[in-house]
Amino acid sequence: EAQVTQNPRYLITVTGKKLTVTCSQNMNHEYMSWYRQDPGLGLRQIYYSMNVEVTDKGDVPEGYKVSRKEKRNFPLILESPSPNQTSLYFCASRRGGATDTQYFGPGTRLTVL
Amino acid sequence: AQSVTQLDSQVPVFEEAPVELRCNYSSSVSVYLFWYVQYPNQGLQLLLKYLSGSTLVKGINGFEAEFNKSQTSFHLRKPSVHISDTAEYFCAVSPLRGSNYKLTFGKGTLLTVNP
Repeated sequence: EAQVTQNPRYLITVTGKKLTVTCSQNMNHEYMSWYRQDPGLGLRQIYYSMNVEVTDKGDVPEGYKVSRKEKRNFPLILESPSPNQTSLYFCASRRGGATDTQYFGPGTRLTVL
Repeated sequence: AQSVTQLDSQVPVFEEAPVELRCNYSSSVSVYLFWYVQYPNQGLQLLLKYLSGSTLVKGINGFEAEFNKSQTSFHLRKPSVHISDTAEYFCAVSPLRGSNYKLTFGKGTLLTVNP
């Protein structure tokens, strides 16, 4: 089954404790992206990757890091989480161009105390 | 840059009634248009997309949307809703060209279908 998976699905942590949210897709997609969803704000892009070793900032990259060492994986790293990073995070992937459908993972709900 | 405005944050309707969810966009370049649906505790799923051609686009679950270039709108409609259509709906745009093809989302419309 074609899918985007994320782990963990739920995470409660404390300020300053480094964490990684993993994302993996099994569709051999080139394009992957991370979004955060906040009430009343919709989804905002954090980082995206056009291919292996090619990443760039989205609209709200502050406080986040990403890496793309393999085509299927695109982890999101919070090196020193803060309470304003409490949010619902979605990973997404797409085969290539703008006409291709973007597939979303199930989401990771992160709470930073 | 692109922006998307969903004119209603919440739309309550009764089962079997028609519904329209409104979306307007602004962009300095040509864009593709999308509607996504998010059921409770799930990720986003594509409902339909407009790329080119006929301005009336049909999607899954009986939804359709009409692209109006002069009004820069892409409203979503369904002639008769079901309880199972209760979800949050997001309108999004993506530039035809560029290095990111980023989806820019509206803030969402929560559709609640009541019995």
